[in-house]
Amino acid sequence: GQNIDQPTEMTATEGAIVQINCTYQTSGFNGLFWYQQHAGEAPTFLSYNVLDGLEEKGRFSSFLSRSKGYSYLLLKELQMKDSASYLCAVLNSNYQLIWGAGTKLIIKP
Amino acid sequence: GAVVSQHPSRVICKSGTSVKIECRSLDFQATTMFWYRQFPKQSLMLMATSNEGSKATYEQGVEKDKFLINHASLTLSTLTVTSAHPEDSSFYICSARWPDSYNEQFFGPGTRLTVL
Repeated sequence: GQNIDQPTEMTATEGAIVQINCTYQTSGFNGLFWYQQHAGEAPTFLSYNVLDGLEEKGRFSSFLSRSKGYSYLLLKELQMKDSASYLCAVLNSNYQLIWGAGTKLIIKP
Repeated sequence: GAVVSQHPSRVICKSGTSVKIECRSLDFQATTMFWYRQFPKQSLMLMATSNEGSKATYEQGVEKDKFLINHASLTLSTLTVTSAHPEDSSFYICSARWPDSYNEQFFGPGTRLTVL
């Protein structure tokens, strides 16, 4: 079967750095996405990795290792508005997005 | 950026009634749209893939006769929840695939359905 695992919840302090991990097993791989989702809203796109390595975009970075079936999202200089759920999703061989359950990130002052 | 709208944003209905949710790509033509359902504190679950001009492809466990999908034009797909029951209460999200792309999807804002 297809499976994406990420921690259920994480807590971090404003101004700090947090890393959210994601491991996946899917039928084929055509890229990995990270989305941010606030409660009651649709996901918003953060990053897309299809090759191994680190992609940096402002305060957010995303890393991918295809051989390990592993990715992480790194958030720097945390702000209170970063409190949200972060969803890892993999595009499989049928070009369907397979979603993780999301990691609820709680930012404390 | 590309914009996808959904209507209505919230709907409350009585058990046994049918509800139609619209998904529109406002500034691009989408051959393929996706319908997802998300229960509280759970992941998005793909319900079906909607292709313009053809029948939708449903995921395993999703009842075709209960969740009717019509993709009548390149900018509109509709999901009709027929004979809704309280267990159908959920957050329904659509997305539209960017033309000639397999990895770009743009999401609608979602529809919160509550069945009493």
